[in-house]
Formats: sequence, C-alpha cells, structure tokens
Amino acid sequence: AQSVAQPEDQVNVAEGNPLTVKCTYSVSGNPYLFWYVQYPNRGLQFLLKYITGDNLVKGSYGFEAEFNKSQTSFHLKKPSALVSDSALYFCAVRDRLANQAGTALIFGKGTTLSVSS
Amino acid sequence: ETGVTQTPRHLVMGMTNKKSLKCEQHLGHNAMYWYKQSAKKPLELMFVYSLEERVENNSVPSRFSPECPNSSHLFLHLHTLQPEDSALYLCASSQDSGTSGGFYEQYFGPGTRLTVT
Repeated sequence: AQSVAQPEDQVNVAEGNPLTVKCTYSVSGNPYLFWYVQYPNRGLQFLLKYITGDNLVKGSYGFEAEFNKSQTSFHLKKPSALVSDSALYFCAVRDRLANQAGTALIFGKGTTLSVSS
Repeated sequence: ETGVTQTPRHLVMGMTNKKSLKCEQHLGHNAMYWYKQSAKKPLELMFVYSLEERVENNSVPSRFSPECPNSSHLFLHLHTLQPEDSALYLCASSQDSGTSGGFYEQYFGPGTRLTVT
C-alpha cells in the first residue's frame, strides 16, 4: 500500500530564514506526490504536486518541493519564511482504489509550521 | 475560496438526531470525496464517488450514509452518531481521468465541524 511519512510534528523557524518540511514516501510504481496547507478552521489548500519531469517543483506562495527518488523524499521548502506561513502542512501520495474505479489521496499526519517574527 | 462549499460550517447534534452535511463543487469535476479529520490523526478517507457512482467505502460505520445525486453535489447523512464521531468533515473534488490518464489534485471545502453530544 502507498504511504507517506512526515517525521516532524512541528517545525519552528524565524521569519526570513529558509524552511524545510520533510516528507518521505513508500509507493509501488511511479509516485504522484502532493503538498497541501491547512490554516486554522479552514479546509486544505493545494500547494504543489510532482507527477513527472523536473525534480524541483514550484508551487503557490513561493513554496517549492524537491523530489528525490533515491531517498524517497519529497521535502517542502521555502527560501524565506513569513509569519503568515504558519499553518499545518500535509504531504500526500496518490493511491489507486482497489477496484481500479478511481483514485484517492493518502495523507501524512501533518507537520505544524510555526514562523516567529 | 476554492470552488467547493460545505454547509453547515458547524453542527452540534445529539446521539439520537439525524442530520445531513452538504457539499457542492463549482469546478466541473467528476469525482467527490468525504474525509474525516480528527485531532492527532491523519485524514481518513471515508467515501469516494466517481461519475456519481460510489467507488469506495472505506470501512465506514453504517451510521454514515453518503449520497451523490449529481456530479456537483455530495451529501453525508448522519444518524445515531457516537461522541467519537466528533471531527472536522471535509469534502473534496477532483477531475479523475481513471486508469488511462494523469491524476489531478483534489480541491477541498472548508469543512463542517461536527460535535456529537
């Protein structure tokens, strides 16, 4: 079965510093990987995805993610963190449903990013 | 915000009540999903509808009953719930190309915060 792991419950970073939120995956076949962000009392917002192609994927709000096949990782990065980036971040992988009739996302447990001013 | 709306945003119900959650997507997608988000647990996929047909029931208790009358609307009917069912219920939609094509990201609604007393 497909799975993703987010090894850190919380990441703390000072405003203006670079940030990294870690994600590793376990899949059979080619991985389709996603990052989502959730602000308090809100739904999840799509940030970026890796399907194929360049290992460095650029997404919304200045975020990017680096796909590393040898390390089975898909870490989320941003060169300069903002206080407004403080939120809950989820890594996800596509999983085809058992009956082949559709697809779904399997989410990690989430990492809380706290950016201090 | 994301083209997926959910009502109500907050719901408090007793264990003997019957209520329904509503989701509507304005994105022209052909697949819709219900997720449950509890504190300190990963997002749990509950149901998947593709082309208005239920294609996944992820071992969800029968006190949860989904309905998808058309590709734009999704309901979750609730009856005789338990306190442990208190959670944030998230609806999502996507364009599912099935087995032949790529995989598109899911777009989430803001969620319904359900409290069972």
